[in-house]
Amino acid sequence: AQRVTQPEKLLSVFKGAPVELKCNYSYSGSPELFWYVQYSRQRLQLLLRHISRESIKGFTADLNKGETSFHLKKPFAQEEDSAMYYCALNGKGANNLFFGTGTRLTVIP
Amino acid sequence: DTGVSQDPRHKITKRGQNVTFRCDPISEHNRLYWYRQTLGQGPEFLTYFQNEAQLEKSRLLSDRFSAERPKGSFSTLEIQRTEQGDSAMYLCASSLGSSGSTDTQYFGPGTRLTVL
Repeated sequence: AQRVTQPEKLLSVFKGAPVELKCNYSYSGSPELFWYVQYSRQRLQLLLRHISRESIKGFTADLNKGETSFHLKKPFAQEEDSAMYYCALNGKGANNLFFGTGTRLTVIP
Repeated sequence: DTGVSQDPRHKITKRGQNVTFRCDPISEHNRLYWYRQTLGQGPEFLTYFQNEAQLEKSRLLSDRFSAERPKGSFSTLEIQRTEQGDSAMYLCASSLGSSGSTDTQYFGPGTRLTVL
């Protein structure tokens, strides 16, 4: 069975500090991993996906198959990063996203 | 706004009533998804359409739930005999449906259902 775990419901960091949002997954095959973000009063939107290996808004995430993790990192947090972040998994060939419970990030000025 | 739209944005109903929600995907997208999100949880997959064909249904989608996409464009989600446990945010998403790896899903603003 597939499972996405985001152990922190809430995370607060000071502006300029590094931030890491944790995501661990359980899946028997080769999943695709995503980070979605929801800013206040906005809709859920894709932040990044492991296949593209991009850096979006300074965020990066590396898929670690050995540790079954896909942690989201940014070296210097900005106030505008305050939002709800969801890690999501899609099994190969599947057509639905399986989401974690989310982490609310607050960047303190 | 050319994004995914949902109507209504809020719905309050009494237990036992039927409700119907509408989703209009991005115009060129042939895949459409419904998710449900309850307080403190991430979105949970309900069902998925490729054009007008409903190809996947979650076990969460009980017999009281039905979804349609009759012309491969907009979709409706109907809940019959609503229960208080149906109270949630119902999210619609659409994607282009390109081949290869999973294509990006674009989400609508959601319909918040409250069952009294």
